[in-house]
This record gives sequence, C-alpha cells and structure tokens, in this order.
Amino acid sequence: AQRVTQPEKLLSVFKGAPVELKCNYSYSGSPELFWYVQYSRQRLQLLLRHISRESIKGFTADLNKGETSFHLKKPFAQEEDSAMYYCALRVNNNDMRFGAGTRLTVKP
Amino acid sequence: NAGVMQNPRHLVRRRGQEARLRCSPMKGHSHVYWYRQLPEEGLKFMVYLQKENIIDESGMPKERFSAEFPKEGPSILRIQQVVRGDSAAYFCASSPPQKDTQYFGPGTRLTVL
Repeated sequence: AQRVTQPEKLLSVFKGAPVELKCNYSYSGSPELFWYVQYSRQRLQLLLRHISRESIKGFTADLNKGETSFHLKKPFAQEEDSAMYYCALRVNNNDMRFGAGTRLTVKP
Repeated sequence: NAGVMQNPRHLVRRRGQEARLRCSPMKGHSHVYWYRQLPEEGLKFMVYLQKENIIDESGMPKERFSAEFPKEGPSILRIQQVVRGDSAAYFCASSPPQKDTQYFGPGTRLTVL
C-alpha cells in the first residue's frame, strides 16, 4: 500500500535548537517525495522536493531508501518556522498521498 | 498571478442540502486536483481533472460527490445531500500542463449542521 506516515502530530522546540520532522513512506516503485508547509492563515505551499536536493529556508531533507524515510531537518529553528508541515508522496502523475501533518512550534 | 482561488472560504449547510465548492486555477494551469482533509487527518486525494475531462476520480466517494472543470469558468466540487461526515476542509490545487508542482488554494471549510 502507498502510504505516508508522520509519527508526530506535535513537535515543540526552542529557538536555535535543531529540529527534525519525521516522515516514513511505503511505496513499491521509485518514490518522489515532497515537503509542504502551511503557515498560520496561509495556504499550503511547497517547501522542497527530494529530486531538487535543495535547501529552502535552511531546511533540508534526504531520501533514505533503506529506511524508507524523508525526514525534514533544520540545524537552528526560528520562531517563524512555526507551522504545519506535510510530507507527501507522488504515486503517479495524478495522485499525491499526504501524511497527517506535524505541527511545529518554535518557542522563544 | 493571483494564485489558486477558492470560494467560499467557509460554507455552512444543513443535512440534506447541496454544497458547491469553486476553484479557479492559476493562470495557464489546465490541471486541477481536489483534496479533502478530515479533522485530525491528512489530505486525501479525491479527483484530478483537466479542462472538460475527469482524468482520475479514484478518490471520490461513489455517491453524492461529483466534480467538473468546464471549458470556461472554475472547477466545481459538488456534494449532494450533505451529511455531518462531509464536514471537512476541501483543498484545490492546480498545475501547468507539464504536471509539475501543484499549487494549492486556501481551502473551503465545509460545516454540516
């Protein structure tokens, strides 16, 4: 079954601390994975995708096929990073499977 | 480019009424996707449409739900005879013809009383 799991509904860290949002996937093919972010009262927007191997707003995510994971990391969290984060898996051209989301709170 | 627009942002219906949710894709985008987010759950794919065609409706409930994307005008997600379990946030996304990144609208929050 194609599935995305984000085990943490809530994650709270202090400003300046490292943060890791976990994402595990289940997919038999070659996965295409994304992280989306939704800031308060804003729409869902793409943060990054694994094929780009880019760093956006200091966030990075590495695809680990052995562990079937695509964890999102940032070495020093900022208060403005507080948001809902969704991991997503594209299973075909039409279908994106989203995780349940993790709400990150960065405390001052 | 104004981005993906959805209206209304909030919709309240009584059980048995019809709900119509509208989505205007970004300029130049011919592909539209609808997702539903139930309380405490992630986004779930419902349907993928191109202009005047339903490409994939594998995520749509078999009854009461329908979607269209006419040649002119917005995409419409229609829910007939709503029930309390239809209460959710409904998100629309659009992408350009090469089917790259999906851009999301702000969502419509449907509440069924």
